[in-house]
Amino acid sequence: DAGVTQSPTHLIKTRGQQVTLRCSPKSGHDTVSWYQQALGQGPQFIFQYYEEEERQRGNFPDRFSGHQFPNYSSELNVNALLLGDSALYLCASSSPTTMPGPNTEAFFGQGTRLTVV
Amino acid sequence: RKEVEQDPGPFNVPEGATVAFNCTYSNSASQSFFWYRQDCRKEPKLLMSVYSSGNEDGRFTAQLNRASQYISLLIRDSKLSDSATYLCVVTPTSGTYKYIFGTGTRLKVLA
Repeated sequence: DAGVTQSPTHLIKTRGQQVTLRCSPKSGHDTVSWYQQALGQGPQFIFQYYEEEERQRGNFPDRFSGHQFPNYSSELNVNALLLGDSALYLCASSSPTTMPGPNTEAFFGQGTRLTVV
Repeated sequence: RKEVEQDPGPFNVPEGATVAFNCTYSNSASQSFFWYRQDCRKEPKLLMSVYSSGNEDGRFTAQLNRASQYISLLIRDSKLSDSATYLCVVTPTSGTYKYIFGTGTRLKVLA
């Protein structure tokens, strides 16, 4: 059973460019969340997708957008990249549920390490 | 004040030692609590959920103190393989779907 898979694993972009990161959730999961983890920090919630719609969003600017496809896979798009966007981007999937709870484990992919130069 | 706070460490302990980490959270209505483990340059993985009555999994014990708004993780008989960053995770009030992470506590177990 494949876990959460993300691509690419590493990426180098130039300031002002746009980037698309991809995520395939764990089999049987329909909810995908994206997190940004800067060096030395904990992951920060960007947004969550469920039933192909953005269900909740964290404190990130509109430059960060996403999409979920009918097969539950997801993309994270970042426009007009800034140096401060350099981070590990983590995708997490979870089993069908209405909200997090004690039994709602989020499974993380290995992440995409984005470097903006 | 951060929503979830942890001592970043590092905690350097010898093999076989017992070590404890605390994590405080600011929202008294927080719902669920977890400890995740993250190895260097890897993804976070669930170590254990934290229940109100406290729970144990082998050498690991987690406690929740709602009155003081903190959770703790105790590791007994530390192994070299326990070296990692331990992330405290809290879910806020009902109606929200995000996990709030602390900055993590680094643990180094020394031979």
